[in-house]
Amino acid sequence: QKEVEQDPGPLSVPEGAIVSLNCTYSNSAFQYFMWYRQYSRKGPELLMYTYSSGNKEDGRFTAQVDKSSKYISLFIRDSQPSDSATYLCAMKGTGNQFYFGTGTSLTVIP
Amino acid sequence: DAGITQSPRYKITETGRQVTLMCHQTWSHSYMFWYRQDLGHGLRLIYYSAAADITDKGEVPDGYVVSRSKTENFPLTLESATRSQTSVYFCASSWTSDGTDTQYFGPGTRLTVL
Repeated sequence: QKEVEQDPGPLSVPEGAIVSLNCTYSNSAFQYFMWYRQYSRKGPELLMYTYSSGNKEDGRFTAQVDKSSKYISLFIRDSQPSDSATYLCAMKGTGNQFYFGTGTSLTVIP
Repeated sequence: DAGITQSPRYKITETGRQVTLMCHQTWSHSYMFWYRQDLGHGLRLIYYSAAADITDKGEVPDGYVVSRSKTENFPLTLESATRSQTSVYFCASSWTSDGTDTQYFGPGTRLTVL
């Protein structure tokens, strides 16, 4: 079983839609949870991070962590064509190693 | 230019050859990381370094060697390349290793092993 599971999609939505991206994980020791965005042929860039459980909002983006269910989500409101990218979840426990999901490909159609 | 750079951007080699991928960062970040990205596997950590002369294995270290004699450089060497090492390799750096600090990724190196 993989440490982190993420639906690869692809996901296609119309401009202005609310997008929900999700990951599940198996290691209860994970404490730090991150979302990265990766444009085609580029390196990933950090969008948001959350420590432990709860919600975090940054502009149109909201990250949620439910440690009891081992489930994290990223919501994108009022999605824009510029949001078209692959979104990677990542998580980490007390060690130095990050564990990434396989990524979900998102296309926002104008 | 400030930032994190990788070279070469594209590399084609043959099985059994030694290949070195270069990574250079200008922020004096303490931590540096090497990942490989493959379809169906996502990003997997190969090696990381907490400081000059301090390195440690990640999830998939077999077949790779790293060194870090200077803070700003973190080369990755494939001692005898195999076809299974065909991948996109990303270098990253950060001040800390915890999730509160951004990991800055380089543009990647696309390596093909024939």
